[in-house]
Amino acid sequence: QKEVEQNSGPLSVPEGAIASLNCTYSDRGSQSFFWYRQYSGKSPELIMFIYSNGDKEDGRFTAQLNKASQYVSLLIRDSQPSDSATYLCASDSGYALNFGKGTSLLVTP
Amino acid sequence: SQTIHQWPATLVQPVGSPLSLECTVEGTSNPNLYWYRQAAGRGLQLLFYSVGIGQISSEVPQNLSASRPQDRQFILSSKKLLLSDSGFYLCAWSHGQGGKKLFFGSGTQLSVL
Repeated sequence: QKEVEQNSGPLSVPEGAIASLNCTYSDRGSQSFFWYRQYSGKSPELIMFIYSNGDKEDGRFTAQLNKASQYVSLLIRDSQPSDSATYLCASDSGYALNFGKGTSLLVTP
Repeated sequence: SQTIHQWPATLVQPVGSPLSLECTVEGTSNPNLYWYRQAAGRGLQLLFYSVGIGQISSEVPQNLSASRPQDRQFILSSKKLLLSDSGFYLCAWSHGQGGKKLFFGSGTQLSVL
């Protein structure tokens, strides 16, 4: 069973701090990894993707991938209350994406 | 640019009634199409995916079915809904020929009572 594991949270961080979200995956054949943000009652929105080991930065977001450890992370710098949402980690399973259950992030003013 | 339309946004149906959810994509050709379900407290579960007209692969055998009558149209159906069919249904697309990034529609919140 190919799985993506995430801590459900909630992860609470103060406004302006760095939020660190993590996930692990079981399928060593996965080549690409994705982070989606989902507000309550809304559909997931793609915010980052990463294919290679190392870091990928886009604005306040940094995705990190360590294939040897089967570990993916998302850092959100200068967290804002509008970042409060559930963050879904996903890995490719050949024809679709396999999602974790998500981590709830709460950014407090 | 590409857009995906999904309707209805909310639906309340009695047990045993039929279901039809529709999804269309604009601005691209030959997309891969997907139906996912998100139940309360659970992750996104892949139900069906399609790489072309009339080509449907099922991930979870159950009382749901899917059809793709046109290139950019994907339909999720059931003849008789169960209580366990309640959830948030999401249609998604990706570029054909190996596209991995999924783009989701706005979703349908289905409550079966």
